[in-house]
Amino acid sequence: QKEVEQNSGPLSVPEGAIASLNCTYSDRGSQSFFWYRQYSGKSPELIMFIYSNGDKEDGRFTAQLNKASQYVSLLIRDSQPSDSATYLCAVNMGGNKLVFGAGTILRVKS
Amino acid sequence: SQTIHQWPATLVQPVGSPLSLECTVEGTSNPNLYWYRQAAGRGLQLLFYSVGIGQISSEVPQNLSASRPQDRQFILSSKKLLLSDSGFYLCAALAGGGETQYFGPGTRLLVL
Repeated sequence: QKEVEQNSGPLSVPEGAIASLNCTYSDRGSQSFFWYRQYSGKSPELIMFIYSNGDKEDGRFTAQLNKASQYVSLLIRDSQPSDSATYLCAVNMGGNKLVFGAGTILRVKS
Repeated sequence: SQTIHQWPATLVQPVGSPLSLECTVEGTSNPNLYWYRQAAGRGLQLLFYSVGIGQISSEVPQNLSASRPQDRQFILSSKKLLLSDSGFYLCAALAGGGETQYFGPGTRLLVL
C-alpha cells in the first residue's frame, strides 16, 4: 500500500511567522512531489512541485525534498490570514497517478 | 492554459437513484483525465483515470463507472447510488508532457 502521511493539524501560526508543513511517503522510488492548497468548499489548487533533492523557492513558498528520508516539506514565510487553508501533499508513485495525504489544516491568526 | 468544467456543482440524490457527473476540458488535447472523491475531512481518493478515448482504469472497486466518449470529456456514472457515495467529486487533467494535475471546481454530491 503506497501511502502519504501528513499531520492533520490544525497548525496555528501568528501572522508574519513561518509555517512549516511536513509530509512523509512510503514509496522510495517516487520521483515527483506536489503541494496543493484547498480552501474550505473549493477544489485543490497547485502551489508548487519539486523533483530534485534540496529546496525550491517560489515567492513566499519553499518546498524541501529529502529523498533519503522520504520527506517533503513546505515552508510559508510571512504567513497571512489568507494562507489559512488545508494543504495537501501529493506524490507521483508511478504512471502519473498521485497519492494524496489527508492534508494539514493551517490557521494563520492576525 | 487549460480550463476544466464540471457540472452540476451540487447534487442531492436519493439512495438507489442513478448518477451522471460530467467533466470537460478546454485548452489542451489528449490529456490524462482523473476522477477523485473526497469524503468530508479526508484526502483525495483516486477513482478512475483515462489516458485516451475509451481507455478507463479503475483504482477502487465500487458501484461507480467512468467513460470517456470524447478526447476532452470524462463522465462518472452510477446505476444505483449508496449513502457512502456522498462526497466531493473532483475531475483533474494532466496535459501531455507534464506531470502536474489541475483540478476542476468539483461536484458536491449528497446521497440521502
